[in-house]
Amino acid sequence: NAGVTQTPKFQVLKTGQSMTLQCAQDMNHNSMYWYRQDPGMGLRLIYYSASEGTTDKGEVPNGYNVSRLNKREFSLRLESAAPSQTSVYFCASSRDIAGELFFGEGSRLTVL
Amino acid sequence: KNEVEQSPQNLTAQEGEFITINCSYSVGISALHWLQQHPGGGIVSLFMLSSGKKKHGRLIATINIQEKHSSLHITASHPRDSAVYICAVSSGNEKLTFGTGTRLTIIP
Repeated sequence: NAGVTQTPKFQVLKTGQSMTLQCAQDMNHNSMYWYRQDPGMGLRLIYYSASEGTTDKGEVPNGYNVSRLNKREFSLRLESAAPSQTSVYFCASSRDIAGELFFGEGSRLTVL
Repeated sequence: KNEVEQSPQNLTAQEGEFITINCSYSVGISALHWLQQHPGGGIVSLFMLSSGKKKHGRLIATINIQEKHSSLHITASHPRDSAVYICAVSSGNEKLTFGTGTRLTIIP
């Protein structure tokens, strides 16, 4: 039982490059989330998917897009990376919205 | 938007000490979460509670809804408890609001 798996764990990009962070959960959870964590700040919600087939903006959605590919997978895409997107990204899931959260191990992204 | 404040921001204690971390929030909530993050590591959910008290091993979480306050206690602290402890609240909708965390260091 892997829980929440996100890839890659580390990535370095140049400004303007694009990339996709992948996330998958095997707990049959309905809700999935993407957060970013920056020094001195709490986790901030980028996008979430309350259930399969729906996605909604969170607190800091600008510069990102998401896809809820199926119930298991929720990807985060940076179309044109900027240095301000240097951060640690966490995917999480919960059985239902605002339920107990299960997190992936995080993806450290550096944009030069 | 709910504001979540944790105190202290940093806490250093000797092994064996009783630890208390506090969390206050500004608006009524449906649930409060306590999370643990080890250095360089992932985030683990410790508790989710909406009233009263929960206990798991040496960890105890309490919440006072009227005072909009929660505490996380660690009994007989151990160096492996060294981590960042994060409080988060939900207001019945989709979004959690997170505190900035309390960095706990337990010295052997």
